[in-house]
Amino acid sequence: DAKTTQPPSMDCAEGRAANLPCNHSTISGNEYVYWYRQIHSQGPQYIIHGLKNNETNEMASLIITEDRKSSTLILPHATLRDTAVYYCIVRSDSNSGYALNFGKGTSLLVTP
Amino acid sequence: DTGVSQDPRHKITKRGQNVTFRCDPISEHNRLYWYRQTLGQGPEFLTYFQNEAQLEKSRLLSDRFSAERPKGSFSTLEIQRTEQGDSAMYLCASSFTGGIGYEQYFGPGTRLTVT
Repeated sequence: DAKTTQPPSMDCAEGRAANLPCNHSTISGNEYVYWYRQIHSQGPQYIIHGLKNNETNEMASLIITEDRKSSTLILPHATLRDTAVYYCIVRSDSNSGYALNFGKGTSLLVTP
Repeated sequence: DTGVSQDPRHKITKRGQNVTFRCDPISEHNRLYWYRQTLGQGPEFLTYFQNEAQLEKSRLLSDRFSAERPKGSFSTLEIQRTEQGDSAMYLCASSFTGGIGYEQYFGPGTRLTVT
């Protein structure tokens, strides 16, 4: 699976959009980009995933560059409850039974 | 859908003792995963089951660790002769092969402290 690079930490003011970047320059054609988050003392939570098109759900939007070498997770109106560690994971669905490689993620702090 | 549950939530044990953790996945999920998470790190994969078959084990899963899923429902993770380095959060997750994407549902974890 392709390796991802994320900033270790970011801040965002409550009510503003949080834009979390992820670099995955070695991604291959059949690999998806997944985002999970982990709120303190809880298990990770799935947010969104995509292959090459931008995706949106009730939690967030995922913007993938045309060359697929990077992506951005957007929380449109961050709340204090969005404070968490966000993990960008690249994975091929051909091995969809196997492990998620979480890395260290980005620690997002949403401030009042 | 009651979610993935894990028991106990916290366990304190002395070095050298054996411990066993239980995970109850979401009922219709046929895949079950165990991860370990130490402070400041993301979760690391330990092992994975499809139904009752254990299909993959990480090199992190030493001989002191054993996992079972006897009837393809709940799973247990046992650590024998615990060491201080085993102190971590042990997370269980489940998924469904027919699902869209690669969505694993995680439990709250069992925090193990070895003294």
